[in-house]
Order: sequence, then structure tokens, then C-alpha cells
Amino acid sequence: NAGVTQTPKFRILKIGQSMTLQCAQDMNHNYMYWYRQDPGMGLKLIYYSVGAGITDKGEVPNGYNVSRSTTEDFPLRLELAAPSQTSVYFCASTSTWSYEQFFGPGTRLTVL
Amino acid sequence: TQLLEQSPQFLSIQEGENLTVYCNSSSVFSSLQWYRQEPGEGPVLLVTVVTGGEVKKLKRLTFQFGDARKDSSLHITAAQPGDTGLYLCAGALIQGAQKLVFGQGTRLTINP
Repeated sequence: NAGVTQTPKFRILKIGQSMTLQCAQDMNHNYMYWYRQDPGMGLKLIYYSVGAGITDKGEVPNGYNVSRSTTEDFPLRLELAAPSQTSVYFCASTSTWSYEQFFGPGTRLTVL
Repeated sequence: TQLLEQSPQFLSIQEGENLTVYCNSSSVFSSLQWYRQEPGEGPVLLVTVVTGGEVKKLKRLTFQFGDARKDSSLHITAAQPGDTGLYLCAGALIQGAQKLVFGQGTRLTINP
């Protein structure tokens, strides 16, 4: 199993540009999450999904959108990128009967 | 304001010393987890504690969940350079929701 995969690993955006961060998991997990991690900080929840077709906002959803058309994929869309969105983004997943979240390797995004 | 406060935020000690990291909150958690994160990677679960007063040992690491399920501690005995990393505590506020709130992390450096 590949676990949780994320692409790209690094990206530089100009202010106002848009992009999609890809996340996929092959563990048949129902729950998927997007977090951002700013320097010296923990993880803040952006959006999460409890299954295909169902998404909900986390703690810091402004400026982001998500979709969950399949169990495996949970892309994160940034519209009109701003410098405040410079961060490392982590995707995670977990099963219905476990507390353990499995994390991808992260995407380091810089908005200039 | 941080729902989960970790202390200290930074800790640098010599190999062989003991240390304790704390994770405190005014909120009650249904479970609490400790993750370890290496540079350039996502967090990896070390342990989950569920019952108030629970103590779990993982080799030289001892984890404790407070009786009131509001706090936790991580104690490392005879620290080794391989213990270096970012330690994150994460709490699940509502049983079954499987959303986690993360502390800001403790960056631990063990010097040879």
C-alpha cells in the first residue's frame, strides 16, 4: 500500500493564482482531512470529509475549497492565492473504527 | 488562543538525560494522541490514550492521560539523538467525530 500520497511536494504561486493540491489514499478510509502547518505551529484543520460526497469546514476554511467524489481522492483547491496561504499542507485519513490518522508527506506552498 | 497548550515549545538536552513534555487544556477529550514528526515528513502516531489516568509505555517513552482527561504528559528516559523531532499532542473533543485538535508542538533536540 502507498498509504496517503500528495502532489506536488513543492509549489510557488504568484498572488491571485489558483491551484489544486492532490491527495489520494489506498486504505479505503472513510475519513479524510486537510491541515495546514505554519512555522513553529501545530496543525490547523482546513476541511474534512466523512465519506464520498460529504465535506465540512474545519477551523480555517476561508480561501479554500474541497470536493470528495470518490473514497480515494480529496483534492484541496486554492482560489486567488494570498501570501497568508504560504504554509505546509498535510492530507490525512483514518478509518471509521480508529483514532489514528495517517498523514501524507506534505506540500510546501509559497505564495509571492 | 490554543485549545491544547504544549510546554515547553523548545527543549534541547544532552543524550542520557530525562525529560517531560506537557499537553494541557481546559477542555475534556474523549481520547488524546501523541505524534512525532520528522523534518519534511508528516506526523506519525506514537500512542493513543483513552481512559482517564491511563499510562502507556513504549520502550523509553511513557505517556500519561490525566484523570480528568484534560491533560497528558510524555516522559522520555535516557534520551537518545534518535529521539530528536517535533512532538505533537492531539485531542479528540467529541467521541466518534474523529476530528483532532493539535497542540503547537514541542521541538526536541537531543545532543550527543
